[in-house]
Parts: sequence; structure tokens; C-alpha cells
Amino acid sequence: EVQLVESGGGLVQPGGSLRLSCAASGFTFSTYWMTWVRQAPGKGLEWVANIKQDGSEKYYVGSVKGRFTISRDNAKNSLYLQMNSLRAEDTAVYYCATHDKWAWDYWGQGTLVTVSS
Amino acid sequence: QSALTQPPSASGSPGQSVTVSCTGTSSDVGNYNYVSWYQQYPGKAPKLMIYEVTKRPSGVPDRFTGSKSGNTASLAVSGLQAEDEADYYCSSYAGSANWVFGGGTKLTVL
Repeated sequence: EVQLVESGGGLVQPGGSLRLSCAASGFTFSTYWMTWVRQAPGKGLEWVANIKQDGSEKYYVGSVKGRFTISRDNAKNSLYLQMNSLRAEDTAVYYCATHDKWAWDYWGQGTLVTVSS
Repeated sequence: QSALTQPPSASGSPGQSVTVSCTGTSSDVGNYNYVSWYQQYPGKAPKLMIYEVTKRPSGVPDRFTGSKSGNTASLAVSGLQAEDEADYYCSSYAGSANWVFGGGTKLTVL
């Protein structure tokens, strides 16, 4: 059974940093593109970042470029999102998801990030 | 890139059919056959319902059908059931390794 479990969310002040993790199991992690998608409270979904199987390609939505860094450790079956210079508008539930067939087929349960003073 | 446009709400009675639209541009929906649809219950993670415009993942009922015409994609749900009441989001590849979602449609089963 495919499982994606996010962790690392919490309350952080504006300008602060947070590192999210996503532990994967039940599938061959190293063969999948992986993605972070976020959802602000009461709002829709927003694609945040993608990373290729070997980590050689990374892509970001414009609003997080230069502030967020996606990475992965295939030996640990883990995906990460380093978030720096956080803003109130980054407040959201962050989901990790597998990216296959030009869509996101498996999702974690999400972790809430709240940016507030 | 701008979000795709979806109606905020849609509704139908049990057994009826309903269609949710997703309007983009010639740079996303109109240019790629990489439209997908997601179902989301409150407080839960999204679930993939349709990928590559018309394809259904294993386990998704054939009551769910995807299509596309020009810059607009659509999700049709036939034989509405109470369990279909949820939020539905479309997504499309937008080129240059970018992806865009729609604002979501709340489907109510009357």
C-alpha cells in the first residue's frame, strides 16, 4: 500500500524558516517525480514544486522561487521542502504527492504551516 | 500563470448527471492533453479521478468522464450519488515545467 506521510509543519513567524518532510513507502520512491502542493485555508489547490527522480531537475511556482527548495533522499525514501523567508500568504496545508502520468496519483494527508506573529 | 476557471458550485439530484467546466487558455488546457481532475472531501487529501483528459485510474467509477474542447475541459458525473458530494479541482500542464489548478467546484447532491 502506497503511503506518504508529511511532517514538520507548525507555527512560524514571518521571515522564519521551516523544513517539511514526506516519508514514502509502499512503492519504488526513486522511480517517481515528486511534488509539493499546498492549500490555503478555505482555498483551492496550488502546485508548489516538482523534483525529478534523481533530483537533477527542480521546478517551482513563481511565488516561492528563491525562498523554497525541494529536495529528496532516495536512500531514505524521503522528500523535503525547505521554506525560508516565510510570509503570511504561505500559510497552508502542504501535501506531498507522486507525479506520474502527468497527474498526481498518490497524496499524503498534509501538514499545516501557519505563518503568523 | 493564472488559475484555471471553474464554477464555484454545481448541483444535481441523485441519479441525475452534472458537468463541471474548467476553462483555461491556449497556453495550458488548449495546448496540452494533460488535464486531470481531483475529488476532495473536507479535511481530506485530494484523490485523482481523471488524468490525461479522459483516462480513469483503476477503481474510479465509470460514472466519471473527462473531456476537452478547445480551452475548456469538463468533468461529467452521471448517476449522481450522495458520496459524490465533494469539491472537484481541475489541473493542467502550462508549459515550461509549470502546473496550474482551477479554483475548485463544490458539487452538491440535492
